[in-house]
Amino acid sequence: AQKITQTQPGMFVQEKEAVTLDCTYDTSDPSYGLFWYKQPSSGEMIFLIYQGSYDQQNATEGRYSLNFQKARKSANLVISASQLGDSAMYFCAMREASGGSYIPTFGRGTSLIVHP
Amino acid sequence: DAEITQSPRHKITETGRQVTLACHQTWNHNNMFWYRQDLGHGLRLIHYSYGVHDTNKGEVSDGYSVSRSNTEDLPLTLESAASSQTSVYFCASSASHGLAGRSYNEQFFGPGTRLTVL
Repeated sequence: AQKITQTQPGMFVQEKEAVTLDCTYDTSDPSYGLFWYKQPSSGEMIFLIYQGSYDQQNATEGRYSLNFQKARKSANLVISASQLGDSAMYFCAMREASGGSYIPTFGRGTSLIVHP
Repeated sequence: DAEITQSPRHKITETGRQVTLACHQTWNHNNMFWYRQDLGHGLRLIHYSYGVHDTNKGEVSDGYSVSRSNTEDLPLTLESAASSQTSVYFCASSASHGLAGRSYNEQFFGPGTRLTVL
């Protein structure tokens, strides 16, 4: 079974609107971290936001927020006020803490296109 | 500024040749990783290292090897390149512990190497 599932291969949004990118995860480890990365067409991977499993509040970083629903095992990325530069691939990743592993597992990504 | 670099950025080689992709980081990170990215598969882990002289296999390690002789470098070698190894390769690094005031340590990625095996 996949540990990270991103069910939306592609998403479209109008400029200035908000968009939610879905991510569900599967783990039995009580301690884990969730990451979102952005990959624009230039290819580099850019870290966006992190949510720890014990964090009481949803993470926010500027226009990015993470809608963390622990019981549902979902960690959706919300981008507010979309900009043309937000067009990119977005990857959700999870790192489990057991065994001292530093290795995140990545989802297959969601392609976001922002229309003017 | 600290950075992570990869070379070459583009490489075309022939089946059966040995190829080495370089990765160099100046973050002084203990952890280094090699991934390949293929359409529809996201990022898949090839090898990783938690420190000098430490190397470990990832989920798609067959046909690849790495060595870690210092903190800064983790070269990836394709012993005998195959067409199935045509891909974009990313190197990444991360700290062993969160930076001051943070509980997490994200990965920093290199710009990627596009490898074509003919």
